Amino acid sequence: EVQLVESGGGLVQDGGSLRLSCAASGFTFSSYAMNWVRQAPGKGLEWISDISGSGGRTYYADAVKGRFTVSRDNSKNTVYLQMNSLRGEDTALYYCAKRGADGRNSPLDYWGQGTLVTVSS
Amino acid sequence: IQLTQSPSFLSASVGDRVTITCRASQAIRSYLAWYQQKPGKAPNLLISAASTLQSGVPSRFSGSGSGTEFTFTIISLQPEDFATYYCQQVNDYPMTFGPGTKVDIQ
Repeated sequence: EVQLVESGGGLVQDGGSLRLSCAASGFTFSSYAMNWVRQAPGKGLEWISDISGSGGRTYYADAVKGRFTVSRDNSKNTVYLQMNSLRGEDTALYYCAKRGADGRNSPLDYWGQGTLVTVSS
Repeated sequence: IQLTQSPSFLSASVGDRVTITCRASQAIRSYLAWYQQKPGKAPNLLISAASTLQSGVPSRFSGSGSGTEFTFTIISLQPEDFATYYCQQVNDYPMTFGPGTKVDIQ
């Protein structure tokens, strides 16, 4: 059974940093790209980042480019999201999600339950 | 690539046929997915590649389209279908979502 468990969320001050983790199980982790998607309170889904199975290719939304960094440790079956220079508009529930394949064009077939990040001023 | 969804909200009754449209600002071939999200829950993938129903998803759900215009249909709305539905393009990065369509009980 595929499981994705996010952790690392919490309350952080404006301008601060936070690192989210997503522990995966139930599939061959290194064979799949992984994504981060966020959802601000009462709002829609916002795609944030993608990392290939090897970790060699990463992609970001313009809203977080230069501030957030996605990485993965395939030996630990874990993907990370390092978030720096946090702003109020980054307040959201952050989901980790598995892509259906390693290449592009595959949707997000499994999702974690999310970890909440609150940025206060 | 920008995605728009219409309507943004619809009120329907059990048994109704419901149709949601997703339009892309440029052609995305058939690389569109549909997700269902219920309050307090993570999204759930229903349809990939515009029309491929995921395993375990009831056949009352369907999708169609290619290029820039796509349609998601529930042929007979059930009580458990009241939720918000999102489209997502997976043709190119950034892999944008549509703004969502909330399906509510009439």
